[in-house]
Amino acid sequence: GAVVSQHPSRVICKSGTSVKIECRSLDFQATTMFWYRQFPKQSLMLMATSNEGSKATYEQGVEKDKFLINHASLTLSTLTVTSAHPEDSSFYICSAQLGTQYFGPGTRLTVL
Amino acid sequence: GNSVTQMEGPVTLSEEAFLTINCTYTATGYPSLFWYVQYPGEGLQLLLKATKADDKGSNKGFEATYRKETTSFHLEKGSVQVSDSAVYFCALSDRLNTDKLIFGTGTRLQVFP
Repeated sequence: GAVVSQHPSRVICKSGTSVKIECRSLDFQATTMFWYRQFPKQSLMLMATSNEGSKATYEQGVEKDKFLINHASLTLSTLTVTSAHPEDSSFYICSAQLGTQYFGPGTRLTVL
Repeated sequence: GNSVTQMEGPVTLSEEAFLTINCTYTATGYPSLFWYVQYPGEGLQLLLKATKADDKGSNKGFEATYRKETTSFHLEKGSVQVSDSAVYFCALSDRLNTDKLIFGTGTRLQVFP
């Protein structure tokens, strides 16, 4: 139990386009989900906390207008990278909370 | 601020060797400490945790003891298997907000037969 999926697993896009990443809790409901970003050989950095039915809480230094988070249901949160640029290329990981955090497998974003 | 430092990898071992992955932390107050494991192609999974000083977390033959005096939470296993090959992350939870996790950079373990 407590499985979290992400879609897509990999995405390549052109600079200036927007990309949506989905995070789903498959067998449980989660009022709170988290979005992380991981650079090569670096820690997972928390970007934002997503709460169902309310606005996300962003960490300091994360542009909320660039990284749009929507948590419209108890099983789905989406992260949209708007007007993507090469510096947004990274590995994005979500987690859903059920007592502890359960993590998705991550999405590799490459912006050309 | 709070932070976690763990040894760089990769750590390469033969099967049945003893494993230690070092982790030290900086935190105000008394955080909870965690080890997560990420197998190839999968999400991070909680391996073990400790919530107060001198607690020992254990799971699947892995152990880690919360050492307040040395601000450490080193991961150990007496005899590793090929199936233990993965990336291991040390993390702490921010006591002011117990939902937030602060991670180390991860250590890749490669075990060869």
